[in-house]
Amino acid sequence: GENVEQHPSTLSVQEGDSAVIKCTYSDSASNYFPWYKQELGKGPQLIIDIRSNVGEKKDQRIAVTLNKTAKHFSLHITETQPEDSAVYFCAAIRAAGNKLTFGGGTRVLVKP
Amino acid sequence: EAQVTQNPRYLITVTGKKLTVTCSQNMNHEYMSWYRQDPGLGLRQIYYSMNVEVTDKGDVPEGYKVSRKEKRNFPLILESPSPNQTSLYFCASSLAPAWGETQYFGPGTRLLVL
Repeated sequence: GENVEQHPSTLSVQEGDSAVIKCTYSDSASNYFPWYKQELGKGPQLIIDIRSNVGEKKDQRIAVTLNKTAKHFSLHITETQPEDSAVYFCAAIRAAGNKLTFGGGTRVLVKP
Repeated sequence: EAQVTQNPRYLITVTGKKLTVTCSQNMNHEYMSWYRQDPGLGLRQIYYSMNVEVTDKGDVPEGYKVSRKEKRNFPLILESPSPNQTSLYFCASSLAPAWGETQYFGPGTRLLVL
């Protein structure tokens, strides 16, 4: 089955700096890669996703890049703000799959 | 308001005492699933359901049961809880199987088994 590894497990950045979280996956048939943000005391929420037919996707201050050859994808947050402090999860699933496999999570702390 | 609700939000119980965590969604979603979240392990799927009366095991199904008698409800049953089931549990739903469809998560149920 799929295995997703996520690094780093914790990330502390100064407000205004960039944050990068990296994930690697094992199943070459995976072709959909969402990112979820979990704020304290809440359930995860989708913030951005990417499909295997594109290499990069942006939405305001967040972007995701995908390298299918190397089987890794990354989340980039620019101009970080205190409200970006949360736990972020990457995930992967194969086409028409029934099971989303999550990485271990990254706790991001943005220091003012 | 579109949402996934879970009850209870917090639960302390003792080893062996059967418990049920309820999950309900009001979005007419076909797909529902249960996850447990443990530090450093991320979210691991326990069971999922493609539709009414259709359920299947996820990655960590041991010690859990589910049922899907109605489209909106997907309860998680621990017949004989043990301390290693102490965890944070999330129910999620989506329109179709997880590929390409946003999963909507409930607020979580924090379970402590003594």
